[in-house]
Amino acid sequence: DTGVSQDPRHKITKRGQNVTFRCDPISEHNRLYWYRQTLGQGPEFLTYFQNEAQLEKSRLLSDRFSAERPKGSFSTLEIQRTEQGDSAMYLCASSFRGTFQGEAFFGQGTRLTVV
Amino acid sequence: AQRVTQPEKLLSVFKGAPVELKCNYSYSGSPELFWYVQYSRQRLQLLLRHISRESIKGFTADLNKGETSFHLKKPFAQEEDSAMYYCALITSGSRLTFGEGTQLTVNP
Repeated sequence: DTGVSQDPRHKITKRGQNVTFRCDPISEHNRLYWYRQTLGQGPEFLTYFQNEAQLEKSRLLSDRFSAERPKGSFSTLEIQRTEQGDSAMYLCASSFRGTFQGEAFFGQGTRLTVV
Repeated sequence: AQRVTQPEKLLSVFKGAPVELKCNYSYSGSPELFWYVQYSRQRLQLLLRHISRESIKGFTADLNKGETSFHLKKPFAQEEDSAMYYCALITSGSRLTFGEGTQLTVNP
């Protein structure tokens, strides 16, 4: 499968622990996005990178959340001091600037459960 | 602020019947709208974009700026169309604002 890859697929953690997710985009894609999806809702934008630069962050991204894309390839999303409200599906997507805007390729997501 | 509304969380039709999934938006700029689909146990994927005015898998969607709508239509639904459908609006930086989604079930 040469699409967007996310790891792990599932994560269960205790409240207050830190977690880190990884996303590997499609190799030639220079834009990478993180979304969060809770039950019964559509994906909500968290942040996006163009190459290694983080260009936009949502107000949803509290200071407990941090994302990086150090070499413009894979990205990590870290949540510190997790809360039960952080339980959600975290989706990564990538696109190539120059193609039609809005065509993002999604990974299968990381489902986080905070107990 | 931008917003996408899909008024129906669930929609059930019989095979061969027409189907329409509703989408309304609010956006101060010039809107670019999309439909994304998620089939069971598959990842979210682009179905169609308004700017291309294309028909994909028999689905079409017309942007109506007067009514701020972008409804998805298919004249004859098939069982394989059963899926979760999300309407999305692109805003600054290519970020997508999604609606809450409509679960379409096509019954045999």
